[in-house]
Amino acid sequence: DADVTQTPRNRITKTGKRIMLECSQTKGHDRMYWYRQDPGLGLRLIYYSFDVKDINKGEISDGYSVSRQAQAKFSLSLESAIPNQTALYFCATSPGQGSANTGELFFGEGSRLTVL
Amino acid sequence: LAKTTQPISMDSYEGQEVNITCSHNNIATNDYITWYQQFPSQGPRFIIQGYKTKVTNEVASLFIPADRKSSTLSLPRVSLSDTAVYYCLVGAPYNFNKFYFGSGTKLNVKP
Repeated sequence: DADVTQTPRNRITKTGKRIMLECSQTKGHDRMYWYRQDPGLGLRLIYYSFDVKDINKGEISDGYSVSRQAQAKFSLSLESAIPNQTALYFCATSPGQGSANTGELFFGEGSRLTVL
Repeated sequence: LAKTTQPISMDSYEGQEVNITCSHNNIATNDYITWYQQFPSQGPRFIIQGYKTKVTNEVASLFIPADRKSSTLSLPRVSLSDTAVYYCLVGAPYNFNKFYFGSGTKLNVKP
C-alpha cells in the first residue's frame, strides 16, 4: 500500500461544483502539502501545513481551501470549480525539522481533475 | 523562492552516462541542492541531495563546485526506464514550502 494515498485518482466535474480531494498518509509526518501541476510545467504549491493547527497559503491559493483533519489527513477543496483548475494535483508529506530524516518530500500518486 | 535554470530537454542512448546541469546563481548559504525524478502521471521521487563537492548514492551522483552556483546530476549507464523529467531544487532542508519546481529537464533515453 502507498504511504501517501490520494482520492479520487480521477474526477470529472462541471463548472461551479464543489470538489474535495483527499490525502492520507501512513508515514507519521507532521508536514503536508498540496501541489498543482499543469501539462508541461513544474509543480506549484497551493497550501501547506506544518501541523494540525498550522496551515499556510502557498504560491497559488486563490480558489482553493484546505482542511487538516488530523496529522494523517489533509484535504483540498475547490469551492466552485472553474475550467482553469483542470490539472493534476499532488499531495506530499515531509518530516518536521529536527526529525531524523533525509529532507525528502514524499508524494502521492496524484489526482487528475477535469472541470468542464 | 530560489529559482533554477535547467535545459528543457535532453536525448541520450541506453548505456550512456547522462549529465544534467542546473544553474542556481542566487543560492543561499543554508540552501541544499535536491534532485527529483518524475514519470508521467506520477508524483516526483527524490533522487539525491547535497550541499557541496560530491554526493553519490546507488542511483546517481551529484557534483557541486566550490562556488555552488551550479550543480550536475550524473546518471550512469541510463536505460529506457530512466526516461523522465528531472527537477533541480534549491532550498534549506525541511523548508519545502520555499522550494521552486521549475519545468525540469525532460530526459529521453533511446534504444
